[in-house]
Amino acid sequence: EPEVTQTPSHQVTQMGQEVILRCVPISNHLYFYWYRQILGQKVEFLVSFYNNEISEKSEIFDDQFSVERPDGSNFTLKIRSTKLEDSAMYFCASSGGVADYGYTFGSGTRLTVV
Amino acid sequence: AQSVTQLDSQVPVFEEAPVELRCNYSSSVSVYLFWYVQYPNQGLQLLLKYLSGSTLVESINGFEAEFNKSQTSFHLRKPSVHISDTAEYFCAVSERSSASKIIFGSGTRLSIRP
Repeated sequence: EPEVTQTPSHQVTQMGQEVILRCVPISNHLYFYWYRQILGQKVEFLVSFYNNEISEKSEIFDDQFSVERPDGSNFTLKIRSTKLEDSAMYFCASSGGVADYGYTFGSGTRLTVV
Repeated sequence: AQSVTQLDSQVPVFEEAPVELRCNYSSSVSVYLFWYVQYPNQGLQLLLKYLSGSTLVESINGFEAEFNKSQTSFHLRKPSVHISDTAEYFCAVSERSSASKIIFGSGTRLSIRP
């Protein structure tokens, strides 16, 4: 069964450093998403991306965050200057375009900011 | 905007007992509904989804959920749980349009006692 692949599985970074989280969505999917889950809390929407541009973003997705699809397969989330409160599990998801295909999530990247 | 309420943060049950995890949603537009499961230290897996048609949907591992439009509910049930069902269960909703983001509830931790 097709999978969404995220790397790395765990990243530790110092406060103020830039991090890039990587995702390889399912190849024929058109819509891509990032979500985060702070430890013990709910899964929160960050951003959706379609046709090489952001289609929607949440209040969490401020100027410190950016997304990019640099080639035909990767979808990245960049945090420019990490804060302690950015520590969370970050999930990438992709969708075929309608909910009928379902939203497939990756296994996540655990980001720890120290 | 949509929202999801999972009233029970934790549900402890004995093995082979029935279980119901409650989910209510709020939306001004028609929605799709989902249940995702997160096993310890793993990502989010789609358990089942309601898109249209029969209001009762089933998963391959014995869970079922029923869409009740009048009560705006999508409760998850299983007649007999197994130790392996121990996980966090998230109810989620999305607008009935292509590429709409998913909004998650706060999750219900299902713990199974032998």
